[in-house]
Amino acid sequence: DQQVKQNSPSLSVQEGRISILNCDYTNSMFDYFLWYKKYPAEGPTFLISISSIKDKNEDGRFTVFLNKSAKHLSLHIVPSQPGDSAVYFCAASAGGSNFGNEKLTFGTGTRLTIIP
Amino acid sequence: NAGVTQTPKFQVLKTGQSMTLQCAQDMNHEYMSWYRQDPGMGLRLIHYSVGAGITDQGEVPNGYNVSRSTTEDFPLRLLSAAPSQTSVYFCASRGPLNYGYTFGSGTRLTVV
Repeated sequence: DQQVKQNSPSLSVQEGRISILNCDYTNSMFDYFLWYKKYPAEGPTFLISISSIKDKNEDGRFTVFLNKSAKHLSLHIVPSQPGDSAVYFCAASAGGSNFGNEKLTFGTGTRLTIIP
Repeated sequence: NAGVTQTPKFQVLKTGQSMTLQCAQDMNHEYMSWYRQDPGMGLRLIHYSVGAGITDQGEVPNGYNVSRSTTEDFPLRLLSAAPSQTSVYFCASRGPLNYGYTFGSGTRLTVV
């Protein structure tokens, strides 16, 4: 049972345009969400997170939106740059503090390709 | 800062062999975790630790043991390797006020 779903395995976006990566979850107990970026042969790198008490969080070019009623979150990257080409994972946890807890459930990832 | 260091980077084992995947962090982080990543799947939590001497099971703990005798080290032991344990293993750590985990670069394990 996949509790965190990323239904788009891949996405291609022109450089300079907006990239939107989507994630859906089924467990209503999830209250903390994170996005990670992964390059080949490297470990994932933390990008941005959001607590369920918020519906938006921004950090530079990255914004995460959370729609709790739809159990959906999205990551917006504006403007997209060639270095953003990577696999993006969303992750969720339940019952944690403002910083989440240790039991993260990951989605299967979306491979983002930025076209120069 | 080295961050999270995993050794070895690559390993081939025969079925039934045992080995330990090493993980060390130099950030004085309390929390450490082990994940495995398989093709077409997200990372799945094997075991985690919230401090020295405290460990707990994640989603896929069977076939793996862990211990946390120091803050810095969190080794993962495979007692009797099976082909189903062929995977890429990631160790990660974070401090109590960190929003996300810092991951190591991974160990690619093949069991034949």
